[in-house]
Amino acid sequence: DAGVTQSPTHLIKTRGQQVTLRCSPKSGHDTVSWYQQALGQGPQFIFQYYEEEERQRGNFPDRFSGHQFPNYSSELNVNALLLGDSALYLCASSPGGYEQFFGPGTRLTVL
Amino acid sequence: KNQVEQSPQSLIILEGKNCTLQCNYTVSPFSNLRWYKQDTGRGPVSLTIMTFSENTKSNGRYTATLDADTKQSSLHITASQLSDSASYICVVTVTSGNTPLVFGKGTRLSVIA
Repeated sequence: DAGVTQSPTHLIKTRGQQVTLRCSPKSGHDTVSWYQQALGQGPQFIFQYYEEEERQRGNFPDRFSGHQFPNYSSELNVNALLLGDSALYLCASSPGGYEQFFGPGTRLTVL
Repeated sequence: KNQVEQSPQSLIILEGKNCTLQCNYTVSPFSNLRWYKQDTGRGPVSLTIMTFSENTKSNGRYTATLDADTKQSSLHITASQLSDSASYICVVTVTSGNTPLVFGKGTRLSVIA
């Protein structure tokens, strides 16, 4: 079992661009959550997907959107990138939302 | 407001020594408390999970305690190793509201030879 995987590992974008990050959950997990972690800070909850629907959402603007596919993999999309969007983006999967297993993250740099 | 506060912010100890990290939370309603270890630039890895009724949980050289009355938790690391150098994050699960997990900012531990 490969665990939670994320792609790409690193990404550099410029302000105003759009980005899509991808996450494959751990085998048997149906719930995927996304977090943003700024340097030196704890992760901040963006949203959680279950059965292809957004189940919960944190305090992030509509520029942040997501999707979950029938195979439980998920995408995080961020539009109109700002410098402040530079962060480590973490995906976590769980069997129903309890114990969460984190992926290695995608480091996004916005120039 | 649901918050998790951790102390100290950073800590340097000699290899082989013990240390204790602190976590105070103002989260309600509380479901469980977790400690994660996060290496630089990597995703967090779970060390322990404790529910309301548990007051101690061990995982090898890591021992977590929980006092639900005072809303405090600690993570004790015994006989530290160089590989223990990482950030240790306290996370509390909320049973209602928009944010299922509330993260502390972490304690940055450096173990030196």
